Amino acid sequence: DGGITQSPKYLFRKEGQNVTLSCEQNLNHDAMYWYRQDPGQGLRLIYYSQIVNDFQKGDIAEGYSVSREKKESFPLTVTSAQKNPTAFYLCASSIPRSGLAYGYTFGSGTRLTVV
Amino acid sequence: GNSVTQMEGPVTLSEEAFLTINCTYTATGYPSLFWYVQYPGEGLQLLLKATKADDKGSNKGFEATYRKETTSFHLEKGSVQVSDSAVYFCALSALNYGGSQGNLIFGKGTKLSVKP
Repeated sequence: DGGITQSPKYLFRKEGQNVTLSCEQNLNHDAMYWYRQDPGQGLRLIYYSQIVNDFQKGDIAEGYSVSREKKESFPLTVTSAQKNPTAFYLCASSIPRSGLAYGYTFGSGTRLTVV
Repeated sequence: GNSVTQMEGPVTLSEEAFLTINCTYTATGYPSLFWYVQYPGEGLQLLLKATKADDKGSNKGFEATYRKETTSFHLEKGSVQVSDSAVYFCALSALNYGGSQGNLIFGKGTKLSVKP
């Protein structure tokens, strides 16, 4: 079955470390997205990519970086410059031109905790 | 710009009660509208959608009607169950100037708790 896989489900990071969250999809979707969710908060867009080898900053890109070398993969790196990285991170994908009617497909999320 | 406003939660209901979660939007043109559901510790799942005015989306007993005149897309269910306890997000997708696909814009979410 097609879907989006995020790994790991839980991740612990020491202060000052970079960590990378994995997101892989086999839906043949062109567009991929990263969101951050804090307790009791909505979703905030970090980065998105409409096509391979291209990506744009979202609303809260500072302290994060991404790459899009393959259509299937959109890893997110949380750098030491991100002052408050503890949150739930969600990856999503869509077909950009059809997304108007189909919305996004989401992964099951990665919970990152700074220890 | 485009935006979505949802009623604030949390909403607490008894089993078999009627549910309404209000959602209004601001958008240029004719957006598509969505309701997503998030169960504890999980990602978001598409619950239902509507792509044009007066369309009714429905799934698992939930319904929402795209009302252009009131710019609303309220979520309703006639009889909620304990298993409906989750966070519900209203969202819209609209075209940008030039016809390109805009990103999905989410409301802040409404937490629903259903008691037995």
